[in-house]
Amino acid sequence: KQEVTQIPAALSVPEGENLVLNCSFTDSAIYNLQWFRQDPGKGLTSLLLIQSSQREQTSGRLNASLDKSSGRSTLYIAASQPGDSATYLCAVSDNNDMRFGAGTRLTVKP
Amino acid sequence: GAVVSQHPSWVICKSGTSVKIECRSLDFQATTMFWYRQFPKQSLMLMATSNEGSKATYEQGVEKDKFLINHASLTLSTLTVTSAHPEDSSFYICSARALDRTYEQYFGPGTRLTVT
Repeated sequence: KQEVTQIPAALSVPEGENLVLNCSFTDSAIYNLQWFRQDPGKGLTSLLLIQSSQREQTSGRLNASLDKSSGRSTLYIAASQPGDSATYLCAVSDNNDMRFGAGTRLTVKP
Repeated sequence: GAVVSQHPSWVICKSGTSVKIECRSLDFQATTMFWYRQFPKQSLMLMATSNEGSKATYEQGVEKDKFLINHASLTLSTLTVTSAHPEDSSFYICSARALDRTYEQYFGPGTRLTVT
């Protein structure tokens, strides 16, 4: 069964820093990988979706990469802002379902 | 496009009662819908997968007689928590996979259930 791991579990940075969140998965037979943001008590906001044939996706200050063969993905956030504070979840999909990592809780201090 | 709604957004019920949560795909047809549960400060855990017109497939450890799932149409799935207990208090999130968008899931806003 697919297992998804996210490191670090929590991260606190000063405003303006660039940062990297990591995600690894055990089974490389995936269809896509998705990064979500979740604010406390709220649902999921999709940030980036990378299909298995792609290596990266970019949206504004966010860049996500995918190395399917090694089972790794990174989410790069440039010039972090206090509004970026949230929990970031990585999820991988195969032909059956989607599995989530435990998330990285990010705090960006003003 | 690809909007999924959930109703209610929050519910409080007494122990021993049943609660039904609806998940609707508003602008697309969903062959498959998924139900997740999220406890405080934890990630989403898949509870079950439902395909329109057939029985749901439950994850190991999820009681199918307690969490009744019905996927009667291509736009609606329901989760009924029967004989609710305080430990069932959680955030329940559904997602839907579109007929014409292979393997991409769209998530509802979630339902906060509190059992007193």
